[in-house]
Amino acid sequence: DTAVSQTPKYLVTQMGNDKSIKCEQNLGHDTMYWYKQDSKKFLKIMFSYNNKELIINETVPNRFSPKSPDKAHLNLHINSLELGDSAVYFCASSQDIGSGNTIYFGEGSWLTVV
Amino acid sequence: SQQGEEDPQALSIQEGENATMNCSYKTSINNLQWYRQNSGRGLVHLILIRSNEREKHSGRLRVTLDTSKKSSSLLITASRAADTASYFCAFSYGNNRLAFGKGNQVVVIP
Repeated sequence: DTAVSQTPKYLVTQMGNDKSIKCEQNLGHDTMYWYKQDSKKFLKIMFSYNNKELIINETVPNRFSPKSPDKAHLNLHINSLELGDSAVYFCASSQDIGSGNTIYFGEGSWLTVV
Repeated sequence: SQQGEEDPQALSIQEGENATMNCSYKTSINNLQWYRQNSGRGLVHLILIRSNEREKHSGRLRVTLDTSKKSSSLLITASRAADTASYFCAFSYGNNRLAFGKGNQVVVIP
């Protein structure tokens, strides 16, 4: 069973389109995250939700809108896609927001904007 | 930026040799973790060391932490081809904030 699953794994789309990436975790965790990994493998947090509530919102353009319908799901919607949005987006979860928790990552969603 | 830095960023070794990676950070931390990322995959947690610990072992992994120098090292002993991956440090600071370093690419040649 996949602990953190995200779909789609690959997404190629044109500039200006709107797209969504879905994420689900079956670990019973309270906290979920979205990370962005660029071409240099630099990993940066975008959002963090705890029990469906937004707790971290880094300096991400408001074209990116996360939605957490319940604590097992955290979807990412991106409006008006730009070339610079091309990256790998990782969903992740942890038991709670405590600093000593292991973060469990999904397999990533490869977004290419052309 | 609290971004951690790993040094060196690319390492190529023969199977059986040891691989050492370093990570430095700029702020006081609560703990530091190391993760592995195989090509095309998500990150997998390896080990966590708390700020009051100096060394920790897990199998072939040895992590050290020097809070006075704000640095950590990850040693993989007796490397295997399957250890080929990118390795990231991640340090927790402030109010449950977590930042990842840039990652080390390790290639173990059979």
